[in-house]
Formats: sequence, C-alpha cells, structure tokens
Amino acid sequence: GQQVMQIPQYQHVQEGEDFTTYCNSSTTLSNIQWYKQRPGGHPVFLIQLVKSGEVKKQKRLTFQFGEAKKNSSLHITATQTTDVGTYFCAGPIAGGADGLTFGKGTHLIIQP
Amino acid sequence: DAGVIQSPRHEVTEMGQEVTLRCKPISGHNSLFWYRQTMMRGLELLIYFNNNVPIDDSGMPEDRFSAKMPNASFSTLKIQPSEPRDSAVYFCASGPGRNEQFFGPGTRLTVL
Repeated sequence: GQQVMQIPQYQHVQEGEDFTTYCNSSTTLSNIQWYKQRPGGHPVFLIQLVKSGEVKKQKRLTFQFGEAKKNSSLHITATQTTDVGTYFCAGPIAGGADGLTFGKGTHLIIQP
Repeated sequence: DAGVIQSPRHEVTEMGQEVTLRCKPISGHNSLFWYRQTMMRGLELLIYFNNNVPIDDSGMPEDRFSAKMPNASFSTLKIQPSEPRDSAVYFCASGPGRNEQFFGPGTRLTVL
C-alpha cells in the first residue's frame, strides 16, 4: 500500500543551526501537506504544496515539492527554541477523497 | 472560533470497559477525521466522514471500534470492549475539503 516515509526520525541541533527533514512517498502525490506538533500538543497545519517543483517560504521555513511529486523537504534556517517539535508530512490517501497518510515525523530537539 | 473540541481530554479505564470519545468539528467543515497516535505506529487515520457519511473506515483496527456522525456538529468513536493495546492519543480533525485539516486537542486514552 501507499507509504510516506520521513527521515531522519530524530534530529538534535544546536540553537542557531539549520535543520532539514525529508519526505518520500511510494506513489505520486497530488499535493503534500506539512504539519508541526509541539510536545504534548496536536498537529497544526503549516503549508500545502501542489505544483511540481514548487518552493514556498514562511519566514525561516522553506518547503519544497519534488519535480516528480514523490518527495518533499522542509528546511529551517537558524533554528530557535520555539522550533522544537515533530514535523510531519502528509499526502492524500491513494484513491481516497480527503484522507491523509502521515509520515512518522521528524522529532527536532534543540540544544541551547 | 473555538476550533475542534474533543472530550474527554483524558480517559483511564479498565480492560473490557466501553470507551466513547466525542468530537465537535469546526462549524462549516464538511469532512471529519479520526486519527490514533502511538509512538510505535505514529499517526494513523482510522475513519473519515464527508457530509456526515463514512467514506473510508479501512483504518479501523477491528470490530471493537465503531464511529458515528449523527449530524454535522457531532461525532463519536467507540471502543467496546477496550484492550490495553488501544492505549493511545486519539485525535479528531475537521476540514473544508482536500486542504488543511484542523486537529482537536486529542483524548489520551489509557486502558489498564
């Protein structure tokens, strides 16, 4: 079945360093979404990418959708303690109308 | 806007007992999703509704799980009988369609 994989599972960085998480799908995606979950919290929508090769920026966050629409990445420049959390990518379930398949997430741990 | 409301926030029960989780989606959203999150399996889609109709319940683990959406403003997820392996955080999310999903705060279920 459809799989969405993320690497790395955990990432430790010093505050101020950059961070990147990668997402790969076993199938071509019509779109990809990114969510952030703070410790003890719930997933919060960050962004949706739709077009092949699309790049979107939100302040220090840069999101990219691959040309083949099977992979994506999230890059954070100069991490801050407020960036701590788990970052998930999610793609539409194959054949499903609105359901999403989530990756296992990348846990970002920042050392001050 | 109150966002997605879930109750209870925490539930501790004994094996074999019936558990009912409740969700009130954001008004106007026509899609409602139930997810389960565990360390081992990550965030899994259990079932989703569109316009109160169950569309895909392939993620429901077994017959002990059932979900209903009697109207546009209320949904329940029931586990009967509950087992220790059902311990997890259960999230309800709603959305206007194939775009972002808004998650509730979750219900942390512990089955002893």
